[in-house]
Amino acid sequence: SYELTQPPSVSVSPGQTASITCSGDKLGDKYASWYQQKPGQSPVLVIYLDRKRPSGIPERFSGSNSGNTATLTISGTQAMDEADYHCQAWDTSAVVFGGGTKLTV
Amino acid sequence: QLQESGPGLVKPSETLSLTCTVSGGSISHYYWSWIRQPPGKGLEWIGNIYYSGSTNYNPSLKSRVLMSVDTSKNQFSLHLSSVIAADTAVYYCARGTYDSDATSHYYYYMDVWGKGTTVTVSS
Repeated sequence: SYELTQPPSVSVSPGQTASITCSGDKLGDKYASWYQQKPGQSPVLVIYLDRKRPSGIPERFSGSNSGNTATLTISGTQAMDEADYHCQAWDTSAVVFGGGTKLTV
Repeated sequence: QLQESGPGLVKPSETLSLTCTVSGGSISHYYWSWIRQPPGKGLEWIGNIYYSGSTNYNPSLKSRVLMSVDTSKNQFSLHLSSVIAADTAVYYCARGTYDSDATSHYYYYMDVWGKGTTVTVSS
């Protein structure tokens, strides 16, 4: 079965750029989505179709996907961005999630 | 909006049954997913169902999962049989968009999620 791998944790200073990676075999040939999840809350879609932002998601959130790696980038990271981030793709009629990355600001 | 409902406690070997009610819009023309999250762990997709009734299930759970949809009530349901302690989790329902691009690369993402409901498997 298809697998997506994320680093367990990433740290960033306020105002700096945070990058969270998601790796999978030929992931660049698929579409990646990203979800933000704060403690005790349900996930929120922040990026879909590799780089599109849903309405209401700040411009500081961006995404890219090439080769075997998709990347979520948060520019000018704020304290409110501290959360778990989950990548997701679609493979062989199934949703696949990465293990999640805890972002500490 | 999506709202999960069902028992918060299920005994081992019994069937876990949850319902998700869709409000503020029609259940038609979308896919509807169930996702769970064990305490302190990541997200696990259980499966999805189209409003027409067609389904896709996580291969690791397929033998125990059954999903159904009731368009007249704007609801869809999850039934997970023979539960064990490892099925203890927060269960979410979510709306999904499924489509393909011009080169037939398919994609699926979930843009609306319920608040989740905690289900504990214990005797």
